[in-house]
Amino acid sequence: EAGVAQSPRYKIIEKRQSVAFWCNPISGHATLYWYQQILGQGPKLLIQFQNNGVVDDSQLPKDRFSAERLKGVDSTLKIQPAKLEDSAVYLCASSYSRTGGTGELFFGEGSRLTVL
Amino acid sequence: AQSVTQLDSQVPVFEEAPVELRCNYSSSVSVYLFWYVQYPNQGLQLLLKYLSGSTLVKGINGFEAEFNKSQTSFHLRKPSVHISDTAEYFCAVSDPGAYNTDKLIFGTGTRLQVFP
Repeated sequence: EAGVAQSPRYKIIEKRQSVAFWCNPISGHATLYWYQQILGQGPKLLIQFQNNGVVDDSQLPKDRFSAERLKGVDSTLKIQPAKLEDSAVYLCASSYSRTGGTGELFFGEGSRLTVL
Repeated sequence: AQSVTQLDSQVPVFEEAPVELRCNYSSSVSVYLFWYVQYPNQGLQLLLKYLSGSTLVKGINGFEAEFNKSQTSFHLRKPSVHISDTAEYFCAVSDPGAYNTDKLIFGTGTRLQVFP
Protein backbone atom coordinates (compact mmCIF):
# COMPACT_ATOMS: atom_id res chain seq x y z
CA GLU A 1 0.00 0.00 0.00
CA ALA A 2 1.45 3.34 -1.02
CA GLY A 3 1.93 5.84 1.78
CA VAL A 4 1.14 9.54 1.98
CA ALA A 5 3.05 11.39 -0.73
CA GLN A 6 4.23 14.97 -0.34
CA SER A 7 6.14 17.36 -2.56
CA PRO A 8 8.40 19.16 -2.67
CA ARG A 9 10.58 17.71 0.09
CA TYR A 10 12.56 20.92 0.46
CA LYS A 11 11.88 24.53 -0.48
CA ILE A 12 13.86 27.69 0.14
CA ILE A 13 12.22 31.04 -0.54
CA GLU A 14 12.66 34.65 0.48
CA LYS A 15 10.18 36.38 2.74
CA ARG A 16 7.11 37.78 1.01
CA GLN A 17 7.33 35.13 -1.69
CA SER A 18 4.69 32.45 -2.09
CA VAL A 19 4.97 28.66 -1.87
CA ALA A 20 2.68 25.70 -2.37
CA PHE A 21 2.87 22.18 -1.02
CA TRP A 22 1.06 19.17 -2.42
CA CYS A 23 -0.19 16.05 -0.67
CA ASN A 24 -1.65 12.81 -1.96
CA PRO A 25 -3.18 10.74 0.87
CA ILE A 26 -3.48 6.99 1.14
CA SER A 27 -6.14 5.69 -1.21
CA GLY A 28 -9.53 5.46 0.46
CA HIS A 29 -8.66 7.73 3.39
CA ALA A 30 -11.45 10.22 3.91
CA THR A 31 -9.65 12.53 6.32
CA LEU A 32 -6.61 14.66 5.49
CA TYR A 33 -4.58 16.86 7.81
CA TRP A 34 -1.91 19.51 7.45
CA TYR A 35 0.39 19.98 10.42
CA GLN A 36 3.13 22.55 10.96
CA GLN A 37 6.22 21.37 12.85
CA ILE A 38 8.56 24.15 13.89
CA LEU A 39 12.04 23.10 14.98
CA GLY A 40 11.99 22.01 18.63
CA GLN A 41 8.21 21.87 18.83
CA GLY A 42 5.58 19.22 18.33
CA PRO A 43 3.38 19.18 15.25
CA LYS A 44 0.50 21.66 15.31
CA LEU A 45 -2.70 21.05 13.37
CA LEU A 46 -3.31 23.72 10.74
CA ILE A 47 -6.32 22.29 8.95
CA GLN A 48 -8.32 19.06 8.78
CA PHE A 49 -10.48 17.98 5.85
CA GLN A 50 -13.08 15.25 5.79
CA ASN A 51 -13.56 14.40 2.13
CA ASN A 52 -13.49 17.89 0.61
CA GLY A 53 -15.04 19.73 3.56
CA VAL A 54 -13.12 21.54 6.30
CA VAL A 55 -13.53 20.02 9.79
CA ASP A 56 -11.14 22.28 11.69
CA ASP A 57 -9.08 25.25 10.56
CA SER A 58 -9.02 27.12 13.85
CA GLN A 59 -5.21 27.39 13.90
CA LEU A 60 -4.70 28.25 10.25
CA PRO A 61 -3.39 31.84 9.79
CA LYS A 62 -5.99 32.66 7.20
CA ASP A 63 -4.46 35.99 6.23
CA ARG A 64 -1.56 34.16 4.57
CA PHE A 65 -2.31 30.43 4.55
CA SER A 66 -4.87 28.68 2.40
CA ALA A 67 -5.61 25.05 1.70
CA GLU A 68 -7.94 23.13 -0.53
CA ARG A 69 -8.84 19.54 -1.19
CA LEU A 70 -10.51 19.30 -4.51
CA LYS A 71 -12.54 16.16 -5.25
CA GLY A 72 -11.77 14.84 -1.75
CA VAL A 73 -8.39 13.39 -2.68
CA ASP A 74 -5.24 15.51 -3.22
CA SER A 75 -4.66 18.66 -1.25
CA THR A 76 -2.53 21.77 -1.59
CA LEU A 77 -1.38 24.13 1.14
CA LYS A 78 -0.33 27.61 0.07
CA ILE A 79 1.48 30.37 1.92
CA GLN A 80 1.36 33.88 0.51
CA PRO A 81 3.23 35.98 1.48
CA ALA A 82 5.69 33.94 3.54
CA LYS A 83 7.22 35.24 6.75
CA LEU A 84 10.43 34.18 8.48
CA GLU A 85 8.41 32.45 11.21
CA ASP A 86 6.82 30.15 8.62
CA SER A 87 10.09 28.20 8.41
CA ALA A 88 9.02 24.71 9.44
CA VAL A 89 8.27 21.22 8.22
CA TYR A 90 4.76 20.90 6.82
CA LEU A 91 3.40 17.44 7.44
CA CYS A 92 0.47 15.94 5.64
CA ALA A 93 -1.38 13.03 7.20
CA SER A 94 -4.43 10.98 6.38
CA SER A 95 -6.74 8.59 8.18
CA TYR A 96 -9.48 6.23 7.17
CA SER A 97 -12.07 7.39 9.70
CA ARG A 98 -15.00 9.47 8.60
CA THR A 99 -16.42 10.12 12.05
CA GLY A 100 -15.35 9.20 15.55
CA GLY A 101 -11.79 8.44 14.67
CA THR A 102 -9.27 6.85 17.00
CA GLY A 103 -6.19 8.87 16.20
CA GLU A 104 -4.26 6.56 13.89
CA LEU A 105 -2.88 9.00 11.41
CA PHE A 106 -0.52 8.10 8.58
CA PHE A 107 2.05 10.79 7.92
CA GLY A 108 4.04 11.73 4.87
CA GLU A 109 7.73 12.56 5.05
CA GLY A 110 7.03 16.27 5.18
CA SER A 111 7.99 19.36 3.20
CA ARG A 112 10.73 21.43 4.80
CA LEU A 113 10.34 25.17 4.19
CA THR A 114 13.11 27.66 4.82
CA VAL A 115 12.20 31.34 4.56
CA LEU A 116 15.19 33.70 4.24
CA ALA B 1 -7.66 23.17 26.52
CA GLN B 2 -5.77 19.92 26.60
CA SER B 3 -2.01 19.92 26.62
CA VAL B 4 0.81 17.42 26.78
CA THR B 5 4.11 17.80 28.58
CA GLN B 6 7.12 15.72 27.69
CA LEU B 7 9.50 16.29 30.55
CA ASP B 8 12.73 15.32 28.80
CA SER B 9 13.84 16.90 25.54
CA GLN B 10 16.69 14.41 25.17
CA VAL B 11 17.34 10.98 26.63
CA PRO B 12 20.75 9.39 26.01
CA VAL B 13 21.04 5.68 26.76
CA PHE B 14 23.36 2.82 25.98
CA GLU B 15 22.28 -0.07 23.81
CA GLU B 16 20.47 -2.90 25.66
CA ALA B 17 19.65 -0.63 28.60
CA PRO B 18 16.04 0.04 29.62
CA VAL B 19 14.48 3.38 28.86
CA GLU B 20 11.45 5.41 29.98
CA LEU B 21 10.18 8.47 28.14
CA ARG B 22 7.86 10.55 30.26
CA CYS B 23 4.57 12.13 29.24
CA ASN B 24 1.98 13.98 31.31
CA TYR B 25 -1.32 15.34 30.05
CA SER B 26 -3.45 18.13 31.43
CA SER B 27 -7.03 16.92 31.13
CA SER B 28 -8.81 15.35 34.08
CA VAL B 29 -11.61 13.95 31.92
CA SER B 30 -11.41 10.99 29.59
CA VAL B 31 -8.71 11.12 26.96
CA TYR B 32 -7.23 9.17 24.12
CA LEU B 33 -3.43 8.95 24.37
CA PHE B 34 -0.83 8.14 21.74
CA TRP B 35 2.87 7.74 21.19
CA TYR B 36 4.26 8.46 17.74
CA VAL B 37 7.87 7.94 16.58
CA GLN B 38 9.71 9.97 13.96
CA TYR B 39 12.87 8.45 12.50
CA PRO B 40 15.34 10.83 10.82
CA ASN B 41 13.93 12.33 7.62
CA GLN B 42 10.73 10.33 7.89
CA GLY B 43 7.15 11.05 8.82
CA LEU B 44 5.58 10.19 12.15
CA GLN B 45 4.49 6.61 12.76
CA LEU B 46 2.06 5.37 15.41
CA LEU B 47 3.80 3.31 18.13
CA LEU B 48 0.81 2.63 20.35
CA LYS B 49 -2.42 4.11 21.62
CA TYR B 50 -4.69 4.02 24.65
CA LEU B 51 -8.41 4.40 24.04
CA SER B 52 -9.94 2.42 26.92
CA GLY B 53 -9.61 -0.86 28.80
CA SER B 54 -6.31 -2.22 30.05
CA THR B 55 -4.00 0.50 31.29
CA LEU B 56 -0.92 -1.30 29.95
CA VAL B 57 -0.69 -0.88 26.22
CA LYS B 58 1.76 -2.76 24.02
CA GLY B 59 2.97 -1.33 20.75
CA ILE B 60 5.33 -2.07 17.92
CA ASN B 61 9.08 -2.65 18.25
CA GLY B 62 8.80 -3.89 21.86
CA PHE B 63 7.53 -0.60 23.32
CA GLU B 64 4.78 -0.38 25.92
CA ALA B 65 3.12 2.41 27.85
CA GLU B 66 1.05 2.60 31.00
CA PHE B 67 -1.93 4.88 31.42
CA ASN B 68 -2.06 6.29 34.95
CA LYS B 69 -5.20 8.35 35.47
CA SER B 70 -4.36 9.48 39.01
CA GLN B 71 -1.01 10.86 37.89
CA THR B 72 -2.27 11.94 34.45
CA SER B 73 0.71 10.19 32.89
CA PHE B 74 1.35 7.94 29.92
CA HIS B 75 5.03 7.01 30.10
CA LEU B 76 6.65 4.99 27.32
CA ARG B 77 9.01 2.15 28.20
CA LYS B 78 11.24 -0.41 26.57
CA PRO B 79 13.22 -2.98 28.57
CA SER B 80 16.17 -3.13 26.16
CA VAL B 81 16.83 -0.55 23.44
CA HIS B 82 18.60 -0.98 20.13
CA ILE B 83 20.62 1.47 18.07
CA SER B 84 17.71 1.51 15.62
CA ASP B 85 15.44 3.01 18.28
CA THR B 86 17.27 6.32 17.92
CA ALA B 87 14.50 8.73 16.93
CA GLU B 88 12.19 11.50 18.11
CA TYR B 89 9.22 10.34 20.17
CA PHE B 90 6.03 12.36 20.48
CA CYS B 91 3.25 11.93 22.99
CA ALA B 92 -0.19 13.11 21.88
CA VAL B 93 -3.69 13.44 23.30
CA SER B 94 -7.17 13.82 21.87
CA ASP B 95 -10.61 14.30 23.36
CA PRO B 96 -12.96 11.31 22.83
CA GLY B 97 -15.94 13.52 23.67
CA ALA B 98 -15.21 16.04 20.97
CA TYR B 99 -16.71 16.00 17.49
CA ASN B 100 -13.20 15.95 16.11
CA THR B 101 -11.65 13.03 17.98
CA ASP B 102 -8.77 12.91 15.51
CA LYS B 103 -7.54 16.36 16.55
CA LEU B 104 -4.25 15.38 18.15
CA ILE B 105 -2.40 17.72 20.49
CA PHE B 106 1.29 16.81 20.42
CA GLY B 107 3.99 17.31 23.00
CA THR B 108 7.32 18.89 22.11
CA GLY B 109 9.02 15.54 21.63
CA THR B 110 11.82 13.57 23.28
CA ARG B 111 14.91 12.71 21.32
CA LEU B 112 16.09 9.21 22.21
CA GLN B 113 19.75 8.71 21.40
CA VAL B 114 21.03 5.15 21.75
CA PHE B 115 24.79 4.70 21.98
CA PRO B 116 26.71 1.46 21.29
